[in-house]
Amino acid sequence: DTEVTQTPKHLVMGMTNKKSLKCEQHMGHRAMYWYKQKAKKPPELMFVYSYEKLSINESVPSRFSPECPNSSLLNLHLHALQPEDSALYLCASSYWGVGIDEQFFGPGTRLTVL
Amino acid sequence: GQQVMQIPQYQHVQEGEDFTTYCNSSTTLSNIQWYKQRPGGHPVFLIQLVKSGEVKKQKRLTFQFGEAKKNSSLHITATQTTDVGTYFCAVTSGAGSYQLTFGKGTKLSVIP
Repeated sequence: DTEVTQTPKHLVMGMTNKKSLKCEQHMGHRAMYWYKQKAKKPPELMFVYSYEKLSINESVPSRFSPECPNSSLLNLHLHALQPEDSALYLCASSYWGVGIDEQFFGPGTRLTVL
Repeated sequence: GQQVMQIPQYQHVQEGEDFTTYCNSSTTLSNIQWYKQRPGGHPVFLIQLVKSGEVKKQKRLTFQFGEAKKNSSLHITATQTTDVGTYFCAVTSGAGSYQLTFGKGTKLSVIP
């Protein structure tokens, strides 16, 4: 299985809502990533987890809260988002070795904040 | 993170024509990766280049890493409509780093 799955595919939420994005992989990868991609822009790294521990947080606002319950799952908890947070949220995974390896991306969750 | 300039931003070609996108850095890179993102899709890994002067081929795609490891290119020979999408280069901030920074991408359109 060389697939990263993400749910939901689409999400519309109000600024006062709390929601979660989910990501799953069964490739035995120990590095997992969250990216944010605005329209016509490249993906921007938000968080990196290695061995279920947060290793990189790219100064992301606290209204985004990542969680890695186990080596196969990655969540992104959303609370009190702003309309400018509307974007495609991509999860990715890779082997964790000496330096970066190819990243496998999921199909993404397209988030709209009203 | 590491910065990289990617040009051109857009490229429209007739089917059968060649296409090239370039990535340039002011500093020496440890490695460079290339991804393709189809319209409405997600990035898909194409290749990673590590060695100075490295050239790798995948069918009609040729990837090069400059001798000084400051630039890289992706060349597609005889484009097909299936090549449509945005091509991104991506670099890390150093050896052993897991922070991947993407170039702005080159959007390729192929006119049948």
